[in-house]
Amino acid sequence: LAKTTQPISMDSYEGQEVNITCSHNNIATNDYITWYQQFPSQGPRFIIQGYKTKVTNEVASLFIPADRKSSTLSLPRVSLSDTAVYYCLVGAAALNYGGSQGNLIFGKGTKLSVKP
Amino acid sequence: KAGVTQTPRYLIKTRGQQVTLSCSPISGHRSVSWYQQTPGQGLQFLFEYFSETQRNKGNFPGRFSGRQFSNSRSEMNVSTLELGDSALYLCASSLGLEIPGQFFGPGTRLTVL
Repeated sequence: LAKTTQPISMDSYEGQEVNITCSHNNIATNDYITWYQQFPSQGPRFIIQGYKTKVTNEVASLFIPADRKSSTLSLPRVSLSDTAVYYCLVGAAALNYGGSQGNLIFGKGTKLSVKP
Repeated sequence: KAGVTQTPRYLIKTRGQQVTLSCSPISGHRSVSWYQQTPGQGLQFLFEYFSETQRNKGNFPGRFSGRQFSNSRSEMNVSTLELGDSALYLCASSLGLEIPGQFFGPGTRLTVL
């Protein structure tokens, strides 16, 4: 089972770039890495997903080294509204991807606080 | 498209009772996953259903069960409620072609007294 480890909390200021790293030493060959954002009393919101190298979308970038034992979520120029808990998820792909179908395990999450 | 909907949003029960929570996925999504979130344990995976079949199960006791209907709607049931079952129960749906849980509902807040 791919377990994840993230920093419990991080502080930043508006306009800065924030990098949150997640460790997943036991990641399986068919596992994908997904990051979510969660505000209080709301369900998590999908941010980005990747398998290897670098993925970028309009919200964030995801860097995955060749050994895939860690990943880094990069949030460019954060604002106060980015204050939230960020979760790293490592899990199997769907049946048609031939994934391991193991348990899906969320990390404990990183509480990001953005200050003015 | 409408998002994932969960009913009820809030629920108060007493120990020993049973509860059924409902989740309607996004139209066209065939995979539904359930998660429990507590302050102490964070987000924990309960189970996942795809085309009415449970294909993934987390480490929860048998008191926690679920099912999925032909229209992809899903229910989860918790029997013999314990105080520790108080949590936010989240449902997530996906097309089933990628990692489950990409679109989460608002959750059902269950309080067990």
